Amino acid sequence: AQTVTQSQPEMSVQEAETVTLSCTYDTSESDYYLFWYKQPPSRQMILVIRQEAYKQQNATENRFSVNFQKAAKSFSLKISDSQLGDAAMYFCARGAAGNKLTFGGGTRVLVKP
Amino acid sequence: SAVISQKPSRDICQRGTSLTIQCQVDSQVTMMFWYRQQPGQSLTLIATANQGSEATYESGFVIDKFPISRPNLTFSTLTVSNMSPEDSSIYLCSVRWGNGYTFGSGTRLTVV
Repeated sequence: AQTVTQSQPEMSVQEAETVTLSCTYDTSESDYYLFWYKQPPSRQMILVIRQEAYKQQNATENRFSVNFQKAAKSFSLKISDSQLGDAAMYFCARGAAGNKLTFGGGTRVLVKP
Repeated sequence: SAVISQKPSRDICQRGTSLTIQCQVDSQVTMMFWYRQQPGQSLTLIATANQGSEATYESGFVIDKFPISRPNLTFSTLTVSNMSPEDSSIYLCSVRWGNGYTFGSGTRLTVV
């Protein structure tokens, strides 16, 4: 089975500091997408950032950026200047053939004021 | 992006009964996806629903337990049949839109 692994069940960060969430994945495909989704207690899935595998440049969305290492099959998320509203579950996901998404196990981010 | 309206948002059901969850999309989409999120867990794909054909189920999920309808390009339902407490989960629908995926707001199901 092609898997997505998030090795950190929980991460804690001080408000205004930076936190990095890890994600590794397995795939036999050359063309795929990678995503980070945020799920607050409301359970709504919110797209944080997207990376196309064929692009070498790392994606950035405001305070969120990724470090995409294709050869290592690694896709980490950096949250800069953390805010209280960033507290949530974060899921790494890979888009595969057939358009299916495979999710990692999730990382809970706690933000300390 | 596409907007999905998912109903009901939550329900408490007796074991042995069935619940049908609805997802309405404000745009026509080819594929709709149904996920289950067990308490404290990640999302697991149940099935992919294409309009005009039978849904494709993932390993561990069967049509008799989770029948899906897809009558048109904007609507789909998932039924959780003959429920047991183990079916208590959040159920979410999703569609691919552009280069991303949009999700419904989820249905929190509790089986007692």
